[in-house]
Amino acid sequence: NAGVTQTPKFQVLKTGQSMTLQCAQDMNHEYMSWYRQDPGMGLRLIHYSVGAGITDQGEVPNGYNVSRSTTEDFPLRLLSAAPSQTSVYFCASSRDRGLYNEQFFGPGTRLTVL
Amino acid sequence: AQKVTQAQTEISVVEKEDVTLDCVYETRDTTYYLFWYKQPPSGELVFLIRRNSFDEQNEISGRYSWNFQKSTSSFNFTITASQVVDSAVYFCALSFGNEKLTFGTGTRLTIIP
Repeated sequence: NAGVTQTPKFQVLKTGQSMTLQCAQDMNHEYMSWYRQDPGMGLRLIHYSVGAGITDQGEVPNGYNVSRSTTEDFPLRLLSAAPSQTSVYFCASSRDRGLYNEQFFGPGTRLTVL
Repeated sequence: AQKVTQAQTEISVVEKEDVTLDCVYETRDTTYYLFWYKQPPSGELVFLIRRNSFDEQNEISGRYSWNFQKSTSSFNFTITASQVVDSAVYFCALSFGNEKLTFGTGTRLTIIP
């Protein structure tokens, strides 16, 4: 199993550009989520999905869109990139929704917005 | 409000010393789970342990041990006889009623050889 994969690993954007961060998992996990990691702030939840066709907002959803058309894929779209979105982005998945599930994380995407 | 506090931003110890990473949480829920994750310099996040709110038994796994105390809302992590490979950022996290994971801000641990 590849686990959780993310592409690209690094990306530089100019303010106002849009792009999609890709996330895929091959563990047949129902629950997927996106976090951003900023210095001194830990990981903050952007959006999450409890299954195909179902998404919901996390703590910091503004400026991001998600969709979940398949169990495997959960892309994160930046609509109009801003310097405040410079961060490291992690995708994670877990077996199903529930308090107890450990999250499996992807390797991260380091995004810089100029 | 649900919150996880890791007051120690950075810790440095000499190799073979013991070190404890503190985690204090706040939640009104009676059912919740606490987690520790490790983020080594390579950047990936690795699950270490999970504890539910009804199980206050301490856990030991090799050089790692965890002390969960509901009375003080703490879930501390101790590394015994630290090694250079333990150098990482460690995150404590809380999962509660809305099933979202709330992370602390992390503690950067540096083991000096």
